[in-house]
Amino acid sequence: GEDVEQSLFLSVREGDSSVINCTYTDSSSTYLYWYKQEPGAGLQLLTYIFSNMDMKQDQRLTVLLNKKDKHLSLRIADTQTGDSAIYFCADVNRDDKIIFGKGTRLHILP
Amino acid sequence: NAGVTQTPKFRVLKTGQSMTLLCAQDMNHEYMYWYRQDPGMGLRLIHYSVGEGTTAKGEVPDGYNVSRLKKQNFLLGLESAAPSQTSVYFCASSYSSGEQYFGPGTRLTVT
Repeated sequence: GEDVEQSLFLSVREGDSSVINCTYTDSSSTYLYWYKQEPGAGLQLLTYIFSNMDMKQDQRLTVLLNKKDKHLSLRIADTQTGDSAIYFCADVNRDDKIIFGKGTRLHILP
Repeated sequence: NAGVTQTPKFRVLKTGQSMTLLCAQDMNHEYMYWYRQDPGMGLRLIHYSVGEGTTAKGEVPDGYNVSRLKKQNFLLGLESAAPSQTSVYFCASSYSSGEQYFGPGTRLTVT
């Protein structure tokens, strides 16, 4: 079946850029999503990209999509302590079901 | 708008007890979902609904039942709680499958 994979942990120094990577297997994905989960809270939709786009930028966030390699990344510029969270990659398959990755925990070093 | 709300926020049950978790949304969404989140397992879909009066099984439905009698409410029931059901439960709602709005979660401990 379809799968979405992410590394589980990432540590970044405050002020540096964070890059969170994701790979997926479903070639029919139309939209891919990034969600953010802060401690003790539910997931919050951060951004998304349509599958015919290569890049989407929104303030400090840049999403890159390599459809050929089925690779999605989220870059956070000037990482701040408030960016400490778990980031989930997700895609919607041909049956209109969302598939979440297991999440990447972003830890900010002072 | 309150968005998606869940009650209760915390609960401790003894093995064999039953309880109902309530999810409410005020965004007029057709789709509603129940997930559980466990360390290292990510989010797993328990049950979902594509409209009032409809429900369907997700990835891990055993031991749970759901009802969607009103469009704005989605109830998750545990008939006979087991320690394996200790988890954080999230409800979500959406217009489409990808853009989901999540509640704050219910932390359930079964002893």
